[in-house]
Amino acid sequence: DIQLTQSPSFLSASVGDRVTITCRASQDISSYFAWYQQKPGKAPKLLIYGATTLQRGVPSRFSGSGSGTEFTLTISSLQPEDFATYYCQQLNSFPPLTFGQGTKLEIK
Amino acid sequence: EVQLVESGGGLVQPGGSLRLSCAASGFTFSTYWMHWVRQAPGKGLVWVSRINDDGSSTNYADSVKGRFTISRDNAKNTVYLQMNSLRVEDTTVYYCARANWGLNDAFDIWGQGTMVTVSS
Repeated sequence: DIQLTQSPSFLSASVGDRVTITCRASQDISSYFAWYQQKPGKAPKLLIYGATTLQRGVPSRFSGSGSGTEFTLTISSLQPEDFATYYCQQLNSFPPLTFGQGTKLEIK
Repeated sequence: EVQLVESGGGLVQPGGSLRLSCAASGFTFSTYWMHWVRQAPGKGLVWVSRINDDGSSTNYADSVKGRFTISRDNAKNTVYLQMNSLRVEDTTVYYCARANWGLNDAFDIWGQGTMVTVSS
């Protein structure tokens, strides 16, 4: 099974900050990789697919980079609505499909 | 509007059974693979199962293999998750999700989730 290690688990930041979340895969997953945002009581929302492509309708302050085993989600200037939990996901090899353990982004 | 709507959750005793449904609308359901993902309260996302577009191929997480069965009815635009021999640890919110082959199979549409509680 491919393991995803997401860091940090918790992140405290202020509106306007630039933040970066990292996800490392236990083996090469090419670009079959996605990032999701989840707010309390809601379903996850797709932000980035193919490691770097912004899903339609997602603000351009979100960006993804990486390939192979290391991936990054960057939010260039935090907005109040961005405070949520973020998950990475590998789609290269299954079963099982795997998610990272999540990063909770909180307001400082 | 493209959407998925789950139903069928509820309270069940350990060892019991439940069938979840996920009704799709607004897209050509029969051309997409579908997945179930679950999330325990306050915990992360865990993939459960997937079914291919015509229902001929399925996969399961080890934790549910032999107990859960995924199926679909393309005429009814619905995917199902039959859950048998339920355990307390199966208590979670269950989401169905669409895998979009145009987006490197990422899950672009999710249902609102349905809660399953296994308790005596």
